[in-house]
Parts: sequence; C-alpha cells; structure tokens
Amino acid sequence: KNQVEQSPQSLIILEGKNCTLQCNYTVSPFSNLRWYKQDTGRGPVSLTIMTFSENTKSNGRYTATLDADTKQSSLHITASQLSDSASYICVVIRWAGNNRKLIWGLGTSLAVNP
Amino acid sequence: GAVVSQHPSWVICKSGTSVKIECRSLDFQATTMFWYRQFPKQSLMLMATSNEGSKATYEQGVEKDKFLINHASLTLSTLTVTSAHPEDSSFYICSASPSGGSYEQYFGPGTRLTVT
Repeated sequence: KNQVEQSPQSLIILEGKNCTLQCNYTVSPFSNLRWYKQDTGRGPVSLTIMTFSENTKSNGRYTATLDADTKQSSLHITASQLSDSASYICVVIRWAGNNRKLIWGLGTSLAVNP
Repeated sequence: GAVVSQHPSWVICKSGTSVKIECRSLDFQATTMFWYRQFPKQSLMLMATSNEGSKATYEQGVEKDKFLINHASLTLSTLTVTSAHPEDSSFYICSASPSGGSYEQYFGPGTRLTVT
C-alpha cells in the first residue's frame, strides 16, 4: 500500500534550537519527494524537491535528506525561528505510466517557543 | 513568480445554498488545476483534477454533481459546492501546474468554508 508516515506527530522546541523531522514511505514507483511548510489556515509552500538520485538538498536553514534504499527522508531545521512554527508535510510523488499521484503524509506540527 | 490566489479566503453559508470558490494563477498559465479538501489535523485530500477546456476528473468518493468544477480558462478554475451541508465545512485548497509539461504544483492560500 502506498503510504507516507511522518514522525513525530508534533514537536515543541525553543527558538534557536535545531530539530529533525522524519518521513518514511512505501510508495512505488517513486518519482520524487517533497517537503512542504503549511502555516495554519494557509496553503502549503514547497521547501525542497528531491529526486531518486539526490541525497541532500538545502534551502536556507532547511536541509532535506533522502535514502531511497531505506525509503526514508528527513528535514533538518537549523537555528529555529518563531516563524518556523507550522506543519511540515512530506509528500511522495508516485508515477505509474501516465498517472501521477501525490501521496501526502499527515505532517509534523512544529511549535517554536521563545 | 508562480502565485496562485483563491477567493474568497473564507465564507459562511447556510445549509442548502451553493457557494463558489475561485482559483486563479496570477503570473502563469495553468493547463491543470487541482482541488483539495483538508479537515482539521488531517492531510490534504485530492478531490478532483481539472484540465482547461475539458471535464474534471474526480477522485473516488467525491460527488461530481455536488462539487462542480469549471476550468474555462488557463488562469481560472472554479469549485462550486452545491446544496451545502454542515459536513461540507472544510478548508478547500487549489493548486495549479504551469502549462508546458511542468509537473510542479503551486498552491493557493485556501478557502475556509463554514456551512451553518
């Protein structure tokens, strides 16, 4: 079954600290993996897009990793800021023939406290 | 670039009425637009895929006669919730893929619908 599981479900950290969010997937065939940030009451915003051959990709204070063998990805946030408080969603794109489908995780709710 | 807008951002309507939500790609043309629904603390659920000038493709379990989708131009798609019920209250998000073969999706800010 094509699934995306994220952990932890929620996380509280202090401003300035680092954190790592996890994503495990069983999606096949795999096309690419994306991390989105969704602020409360807003649409998702793309942070990173990773293809099968990419192991690490950074976007400012966000660094995503991908291990296609173990089907795991992580999102590392460095020097967290209050504005990082949001839901972080892992999405795996499944590509089979002409059918492209986004498999969404439930997200990790991150709260950054002062 | 790649900005998608939605209107309205929130709407309250009475049971039995219909409400229309607009999704616009502001600085690019979008052959394909997607409509999602998101309930509290849940992930986005794809409702339908609309291609400009053709009928929308609905996901299993989504009533096409209840959620009418029109994609009449390359920059505008509309979702009309007909005969709304309180259980239709949700956060509706659209996304748009640029024309020309790009598979990127740019998301709108969402529309909060409350049916009383």
